[in-house]
Amino acid sequence: EVQLVESGGGFVQPGGSLRLSCAASGFTVSSNYMSWVRQAPGKGLEWVAIVYSGPGSTYYADSVRGRFTVSRSTSQNTVYLQLNTLRPDDTAVYYCGRAPHIDHPIDWGQGTLVTVSS
Amino acid sequence: QTVVTQETSLSVSPGGTVTLTCGLKSGSVSTSHLSTWYQQTPGQVPRTLIYDTNTRSSGVPARFSGSILGNRAALTIVGAQAEDESDYYCALYVGGGVSVFGGGTRLAVL
Repeated sequence: EVQLVESGGGFVQPGGSLRLSCAASGFTVSSNYMSWVRQAPGKGLEWVAIVYSGPGSTYYADSVRGRFTVSRSTSQNTVYLQLNTLRPDDTAVYYCGRAPHIDHPIDWGQGTLVTVSS
Repeated sequence: QTVVTQETSLSVSPGGTVTLTCGLKSGSVSTSHLSTWYQQTPGQVPRTLIYDTNTRSSGVPARFSGSILGNRAALTIVGAQAEDESDYYCALYVGGGVSVFGGGTRLAVL
């Protein structure tokens, strides 16, 4: 059974950093396209980043490029999202998603809340 | 900056048919955009309905179908049920590894 469990969310001040984790089971992260999608309170879904299978090319939304970094660990079967230089408009539930060679998530984690506020 | 457009809200009668669409502010949607449709009720995790234009995700009822209609991606619900009242989002692959979500459609069944 495919399972995705996010962790690492919390409260952080503007300019701060967090690292989100997405622990996977039931499949191998390096053989799938792993995405991060966020949803600000009361707002719609926003695509954030993706790491492709195999060599692991990474791509980002304009709103986070240069501040966020997606990576993965084969040994831990986990995907990470490093969030730097956080801003209040980064406040959102961050979801991890998985798909076999499709750019959009098919399976989703339960999400982790990031709150950026002074 | 690529903008993906969806109807803000739609309504359908129980048992009726409704089509939600997903377009590009500039340009036409084709199968190369790998359109994906999600359903989300407030406070819940999104549920994948359709991916790669017209592939139904596991466990999704047959009343949901995806297609390209004209220059837009489309999600059609035939025989709408009360539990289909939700927010619906589309996602499009726009190239260079980047995808964009539409703003969502709130569907009322009444």
